Amino acid sequence: KAGVTQTPRYLIKTRGQQVTLSCSPISGHRSVSWYQQTPGQGLQFLFEYFSETQRNKGNFPGRFSGRQFSNSRSEMNVSTLELGDSALYLCASSLARANEQFFGPGTRLTVL
Amino acid sequence: AQSVSQHNHHVILSEAASLELGCNYSYGGTVNLFWYVQYPGQHLQLLLKYFSGDPLVKGIKGFEAEFIKSKFSFNLRKPSVQWSDTAEYFCAVRNFGNEKLTFGTGTRLTIIP
Repeated sequence: KAGVTQTPRYLIKTRGQQVTLSCSPISGHRSVSWYQQTPGQGLQFLFEYFSETQRNKGNFPGRFSGRQFSNSRSEMNVSTLELGDSALYLCASSLARANEQFFGPGTRLTVL
Repeated sequence: AQSVSQHNHHVILSEAASLELGCNYSYGGTVNLFWYVQYPGQHLQLLLKYFSGDPLVKGIKGFEAEFIKSKFSFNLRKPSVQWSDTAEYFCAVRNFGNEKLTFGTGTRLTIIP
C-alpha cells in the first residue's frame, strides 16, 4: 500500500507570494492533518480535515488555509508568505478520526 | 492546553546499552499516546501507540513504552540499542475526542558503534 504522498517536495518562494501544497492520503484514509515543523518551534498542528470539513484548527494566522476534496486528497494554502513561514510542512492521514496518523515525507518550503 | 515535555534533548549511547527516553504530558484527561521516530533523511514513522488496556506497549524494532497515568508519563525503552537506532524520537499526545497531536520537542539519539 502506498504511503502518504506530498507534492512538491521542495519549494522556494519569495515574501508576499502565495503557495499551495498537496497531500494524497493512504488509500482508504479519510482524515488528513497538517503540521508545520521548524527547528525553533518543533512540530505544530495546523488543521485537520475529515469528510471535506475542517474539524480542528491550530494557532496559526488566517493566511494558512486548507481544504479536502471528496477523494480525501487535501491541499493547504499559505498566502502573503513571510520569512518565518520557511518550514517543513507535513501531512498525516488516518483511517478515521481517533486512529493513528501516518506521515508523509513533507514539503520543504523556503521563503526568501 | 496540552503540553508535552521531553527532557532529554540529545542522548549519546554505545551500542548494546539500554535506552530510556522520558516523556511527560500535562493534561490529565483521557489521552492517546504515541512515539514517532525520524531517521536521518526519512519521514516520521510510528514506533508504538497506547490507546487503552495494558499500559506496557510493544512497538517495532524492539521498542516498548510504559504508560504511567499517575505520573503523566509515557517513557520509551529499549534494552539494547543498535547503531541503526540513531534518529530523532518524538513523543506525541492526543486528547480523547480531538484529532490534534501535540508533540514534544524531540530527543536526538546518537549511537556510537
